[in-house]
Amino acid sequence: EVQLVESGGGLVEPGGSLRLSCAASGFAFNYYNMNWVRQAPGRGLEWVSSISSSGSYIYYAESVKGRFTISRDNAKSSLFLQMNSLRAEDAAVYYCARDLALDNRPWGQGTQVTVSS
Amino acid sequence: QTVVTQEPSSSVSPGGTVILTCGLSSGSVSPNFYPSWYQQTPGQAPRTLIYSTDSRSSGVPDRFSGSILGSKAALTITGAQADDECDYYCVLYMGGGIWVFGGGTKLTVL
Repeated sequence: EVQLVESGGGLVEPGGSLRLSCAASGFAFNYYNMNWVRQAPGRGLEWVSSISSSGSYIYYAESVKGRFTISRDNAKSSLFLQMNSLRAEDAAVYYCARDLALDNRPWGQGTQVTVSS
Repeated sequence: QTVVTQEPSSSVSPGGTVILTCGLSSGSVSPNFYPSWYQQTPGQAPRTLIYSTDSRSSGVPDRFSGSILGSKAALTITGAQADDECDYYCVLYMGGGIWVFGGGTKLTVL
C-alpha cells in the first residue's frame, strides 16, 4: 500500500525556519519525481517545488525560490523541504505528492505550518 | 505569468452531467501540459481523479473522465451524486519543471 506521511510542521515566528519531512512507503521511491504542494487556509492548491528521481533536477515556484530547499534521501525513501525566512503567507498545509504527470494517488494527509509571532 | 483558469463555481442536478474546464490566460491547453484533476472535500487531502489528460486514477469510477475540449482541458462528471459536491482542481505542466494549479471549482449538486 502506497503511503506518504508528512511531518515537521508547527508554529514558527516570521523569519524562522522549519524542515518538513515526507516518509514514503509501498512503492519504489527512487523511481519517482516528488513534489511539495501547499494549501493556505481557505485557499487553493499551490505547487511549491519538485525534485527528480535522482535528485539531479530541482525546481521551485517563484514565491519560494531562494528561501526553500527541496531534497531527498532515496536510501531512506524520504523527501524533505527546508524552509527558511518564513513569512505569514507561507502558512499552509504542506503535502508531498508523487509525480503530478502520473497516477500519484494517494496523497499524504499533510503537515500544518503556522507562521505567527 | 500565465494563469491557469477554472470556473469558480458550477452546479449540477443529481444524475446530471457537468463539465469543468481548465484553461490558460494565454494560449491553449494540449496534452503536452499533462493536465491532471483532483477532488478535495473540506479538511481532507486531495484525491487524484485524472492524470495526463484522460487517464483515470486507480479506483476512480468511470463517470469521471478527462479530455481536451477546444482550447481547454475538461473534467466531465456524468450521473452526478450528492457526494460529488466538493472542490475540483486542475494542474498543468508549464515546462521547465514548473507546475501551476488552477484556482479550483466549487461544485454544487442540487
